[in-house]
Amino acid sequence: DARVTQTPRHKVTEMGQEVTMRCQPILGHNTVFWYRQTMMQGLELLAYFRNRAPLDDSGMPKDRFSAEMPDATLATLKIQPSEPRDSAVYFCASGSRPNTEAFFGQGTRLTVV
Amino acid sequence: DQQVKQNSPSLSVQEGRISILNCDYTNSMFDYFLWYKKYPAEGPTFLISISSIKDKNEDGRFTVFLNKSAKHLSLHIVPSQPGDSAVYFCAASMQGAQKLVFGQGTRLTINP
Repeated sequence: DARVTQTPRHKVTEMGQEVTMRCQPILGHNTVFWYRQTMMQGLELLAYFRNRAPLDDSGMPKDRFSAEMPDATLATLKIQPSEPRDSAVYFCASGSRPNTEAFFGQGTRLTVV
Repeated sequence: DQQVKQNSPSLSVQEGRISILNCDYTNSMFDYFLWYKKYPAEGPTFLISISSIKDKNEDGRFTVFLNKSAKHLSLHIVPSQPGDSAVYFCAASMQGAQKLVFGQGTRLTINP
């Protein structure tokens, strides 16, 4: 059963703390996306990778967010330091080629207090 | 700059009737369009897509229509069922790029 796996599912942290979200893409998929769901913007793209190389991270606040793919089976999104406005659901998705759908994980619900 | 817009935050439809969800886009370089469905506490799941070389694609109860001149697409669900109650997102991508640009979503409620 191929699926995108995200951990943790829920995270509550205090302002100023570092947060790391992890994603295991579907085996064989070469493209990984990080999206954030907000009420106003819907699903906003933070970053995406193809063959582990970052292609676009223009949606990410560079001063506090970072995204990496240490290997083909793991993508990470880090926030340091976290702020209350970062509270949202963060989704990872993976895909195999252009003009096909991307498959989403179940998301990480982040609450920064 | 919202390149993909879903102007209706919510829609309520009676069971058995047709649901029509709308989406507009501004970037004429988009050539592939998708609809995703999202239940609470779950990730979005792919529903149906259409390439810009077509103006209609049908899959069971779901049909997507594309009007390139108006930069508009719509999703028709007929007949609507209670299990269709969810948030629907439209998305678009450009030739050769896998990056998906999403709209804000429309919450569809099917009333029995």
